[in-house]
Amino acid sequence: AQSVSQHNHHVILSEAASLELGCNYSYGGTVNLFWYVQYPGQHLQLLLKYFSGDPLVKGIKGFEAEFIKSKFSFNLRKPSVQWSDTAEYFCAGVFYNQGGKLIFGQGTELSVKP
Amino acid sequence: EPEVTQTPSHQVTQMGQEVILRCVPISNHLYFYWYRQILGQKVEFLVSFYNNEISEKSEIFDDQFSVERPDGSNFTLKIRSTKLEDSAMYFCASSRQGDTDTQYFGPGTRLTVL
Repeated sequence: AQSVSQHNHHVILSEAASLELGCNYSYGGTVNLFWYVQYPGQHLQLLLKYFSGDPLVKGIKGFEAEFIKSKFSFNLRKPSVQWSDTAEYFCAGVFYNQGGKLIFGQGTELSVKP
Repeated sequence: EPEVTQTPSHQVTQMGQEVILRCVPISNHLYFYWYRQILGQKVEFLVSFYNNEISEKSEIFDDQFSVERPDGSNFTLKIRSTKLEDSAMYFCASSRQGDTDTQYFGPGTRLTVL
């Protein structure tokens, strides 16, 4: 079955540190991939998405992600985090012929210390 | 920027009672979804809806669940006879024609079944 996994449950960083959150999916076919962020008390907000083309995609708030097909990965990165990036981050995918059903990873809680 | 809205933000009910969770999708969107997240678990797909019909549903979405678009703006999820294990955060999402996989989420309704 198709699945998405995030291996980091909770990441703690200091401000200005670089961030990389891992995301892997288990499917060899066509997949559209997303990163969502949920700030405390707020709704899931789309950070970025990858459908095809340039495997390095840029999103809002300085985030980017790289799609590596050979590794079934779609890791999220940010060169320098801020305290305001404290949130939960969700990787999700829509797999081919799945009718728009988003399959989510477990989520990674990011805490940034000022 | 248009947003998906959900009401109520928190619903407390007794086991066996019926609940209706309400969502107002983004106005020009035609595809609608419900997801849920049990505390500590992944966000799970429940159902997708298009053109007044269910497009796809998960195994969670049994006969106790139903969805409806009663008018041009609302999209509802009804749980006929709630169980303790239905306690979760329920998210509504919508997407537009031509980019159905990119889903925009509401803030969620926290359902507590006592």
